[in-house]
Amino acid sequence: QQPVQSPQAVILREGEDAVINCSSSKALYSVHWYRQKHGEAPVFLMILLKGGEQKGHEKISASFNEKKQQSSLYLTASQLSYSGTYFCGRIGGSQGNLIFGKGTKLSVKP
Amino acid sequence: SAVISQKPSRDICQRGTSLTIQCQVDSQVTMMFWYRQQPGQSLTLIATANQGSEATYESGFVIDKFPISRPNLTFSTLTVSNMSPEDSSIYLCSGGLVGTEAFFGQGTRLTVV
Repeated sequence: QQPVQSPQAVILREGEDAVINCSSSKALYSVHWYRQKHGEAPVFLMILLKGGEQKGHEKISASFNEKKQQSSLYLTASQLSYSGTYFCGRIGGSQGNLIFGKGTKLSVKP
Repeated sequence: SAVISQKPSRDICQRGTSLTIQCQVDSQVTMMFWYRQQPGQSLTLIATANQGSEATYESGFVIDKFPISRPNLTFSTLTVSNMSPEDSSIYLCSGGLVGTEAFFGQGTRLTVV
């Protein structure tokens, strides 16, 4: 089962903040976040491994609540370059394959 | 980090034919995977490419339709066989070390006519 992401789409003005949520009905031992720009390959943002862990990448940070099987991605003071589709993923098996959520399309306008 | 070179980047194929997509990684990786992505949608895992053994396929994907090879730790191929228009999609390979970030090739945009 794939993780569930919300919202499906977000439109922001430059400088505004956004939160993208990811939840799973299956046990989450780690959460992986990727961003994909139109016509490009997904690019790794961060992995969260421990319950309650928070990480940051530029002005993008994330939290992971292992008990609730939820993760949230926080985009602060958004820039035009943040536009793209954000995917969260969970490990689907012992071989490390990723199962991705349906994605959240983020559009940042000037 | 790893760089994955995927080719071809795009192709237009006749129905009933086959296309082989190649992925070359610039360093050894333990994991290699093949995904399919319809425009505007998420990535769907086709299979895990296992070095020196048969690939592990996800539900809905079979070896006869999507044969995969992985002769070493840096190279893999995916063949889309007996193509139909429903196979039109973007195919992506991915690789990495267990428990770490995954790197993606640039994708192959396949159109079947």
